[in-house]
Formats: sequence, C-alpha cells, structure tokens
Amino acid sequence: DGGITQSPKYLFRKEGQNVTLSCEQNLNHDAMYWYRQDPGQGLRLIYYSQIVNDFQKGDIAEGYSVSREKKESFPLTVTSAQKNPTAFYLCASSTPRATNTGELFFGEGSRLTVL
Amino acid sequence: GENVEQHPSTLSVQEGDSAVIKCTYSDSASNYFPWYKQELGKGPQLIIDIRSNVGEKKDQRIAVTLNKTAKHFSLHITETQPEDSAVYFCAASSADSNYQLIWGAGTKLIIKP
Repeated sequence: DGGITQSPKYLFRKEGQNVTLSCEQNLNHDAMYWYRQDPGQGLRLIYYSQIVNDFQKGDIAEGYSVSREKKESFPLTVTSAQKNPTAFYLCASSTPRATNTGELFFGEGSRLTVL
Repeated sequence: GENVEQHPSTLSVQEGDSAVIKCTYSDSASNYFPWYKQELGKGPQLIIDIRSNVGEKKDQRIAVTLNKTAKHFSLHITETQPEDSAVYFCAASSADSNYQLIWGAGTKLIIKP
C-alpha cells in the first residue's frame, strides 16, 4: 500500500544526544515536510523540501537538521542544540505546492521524549 | 504573516447532534482552507477543503462554510457518530506564505453516547 512510514514510533533520548527520525514515502511525491506538534498548539513547520537535494527552513528550524538525498526519504535529526525537543513529530508529503493545491499525506508520527 | 485562530479548544456533543468548529484568519490573501482530522496516535487526514471562490462545500455529513468578508470559516458535522471523536485542525494558505499551511491550534471533539 502507498503511504508514509515514520520510525521509530517512540524514542527516548538523554540530554545532549542527537537523534534521527526516519521518514519514507512511496507515493512518488516531490514535496516532503516535517512538523512538530505540541499539546494545545497547531502544527508548526520545521523543514520542508520541494525537490531532491533541496530543502528550506520552516518556522522553527533551530536545533534541527534534514537531508533529502532521495525522493523517497527525508530524515530529521534533532540535535542537542534543540532546547525543548520533547514532542510529537509528524512527517508529510504532497505534490509540489506551487499552486497551493494538493492534500498533505501524514505518517503516524514519532514521539520523542528527552529524559 | 498569517495567523489562524480556532475555537473552541474542546467541544462535547451528544451523539446525533451537530458540531460546529470555527476558525478566523488574518491574511486577506489566503485562498485555500483545508480541514484535517487527527485520530488518537495517528497523523492528520484531510476531510474537506474549500477555496476562496466558493462559499460552501458539503460532503455527506460534513460541510465547510467560508465568509471572506469576515475572514472566518467553519466546519459543520451533522448527525454526529462515535467515530467522529477526534482532534480537528483548520488551516489556511496563500501565495504570501509560499503556499505553506498555517494551522489552527485544534479542537478536540468528544461525542457522548
């Protein structure tokens, strides 16, 4: 079945450690996104990529890094510089948003807890 | 930049009754307004959307209305069922925001049996 797969579903990290969240899609979408979700807040955009080997910062990129070496994959690294990394992270993909049409397809999320 | 406010944060309705969730936006250039439903432990899923050249759109028990003058749009769910229990998010986008969605804070809808 086509869709987006995020892993791991749950992740625990000690302070000062980097951690990488995986996101893979087989929908043949050019655009991919990472969002952070905190209780009582809307989704906030961390990074997005419209095409392979290119990506842009979203509203809250500080302390995060991404790569887009393959169309299917858009991993997110939460670095030790991220001051409050405990959150629910959502990956999504879509057809390019050049015309602001196109549904976002989300994975099931990764819950990161910093101990 | 665009700001989207969503109310209420929690809504509890009796099964079979209607539910209405409202969102306001600040950027008059916004022209695309989707609604997403997020079930527990899952990612959000698009349930309905509306563009600025349309005032209302309906899909079975779900409808969305848009008032461009007042800059607000609403989600209406009729004959609510237990499976409607979820968190609902509104969003808005425009060319000014590079077509990136700006999201409301979400509404937790509880359907009471």
